[in-house]
Amino acid sequence: DQQVKQNSPSLSVQEGRISILNCDYTNSMFDYFLWYKKYPAEGPTFLISISSIKDKNEDGRFTVFLNKSAKHLSLHIVPSQPGDSAVYFCAASARGQNFVFGPGTRLSVLP
Amino acid sequence: EPEVTQTPSHQVTQMGQEVILRCVPISNHLYFYWYRQILGQKVEFLVSFYNNEISEKSEIFDDQFSVERPDGSNFTLKIRSTKLEDSAMYFCASRAGQINQPQHFGDGTRLSIL
Repeated sequence: DQQVKQNSPSLSVQEGRISILNCDYTNSMFDYFLWYKKYPAEGPTFLISISSIKDKNEDGRFTVFLNKSAKHLSLHIVPSQPGDSAVYFCAASARGQNFVFGPGTRLSVLP
Repeated sequence: EPEVTQTPSHQVTQMGQEVILRCVPISNHLYFYWYRQILGQKVEFLVSFYNNEISEKSEIFDDQFSVERPDGSNFTLKIRSTKLEDSAMYFCASRAGQINQPQHFGDGTRLSIL
């Protein structure tokens, strides 16, 4: 039962361009969403969050968009940098409960 | 910036042996978690811990697993009789007490069962 899906296992983007990472969820009770970045041999690092009362949250080069009716969120990175190459996980929780993670998308930013 | 620390970074254990993975969460955090990631698979929730008791656990967290917060700083995961399929990265996480706060992760312990 995949409550959180990231349908693209990998994504390649040219340096300086926009990276768009997508995430879909099935549980309409989810009300808080996070994006994490993970480098090899390290733990996930928190990037940005959004609660269901908003449809957009921005932090520097990172913007998360939430479309509640479509149960879809996306992470935009602009401009993309080679150091952004990592696995990106989407995670969701309902009413402060445990987070459910997506399977991740491997982003490669090409110089 | 405060961080979650995990020890050891790599643990090699014979099948059937007991193993204890250790974590020091961020000091003012109240919620504690263990996750695992089998090689090539997604991060899976194991257990959450609040107010000195388990608040939620997954189907993976069966009787061979236990967690403990033996003092004010450490948070441990014990696997009583390890199996080959327990080989994975184990991540500890913690978060502050307010609702809608992110979890902060340690760098994980790689557990290899021989």
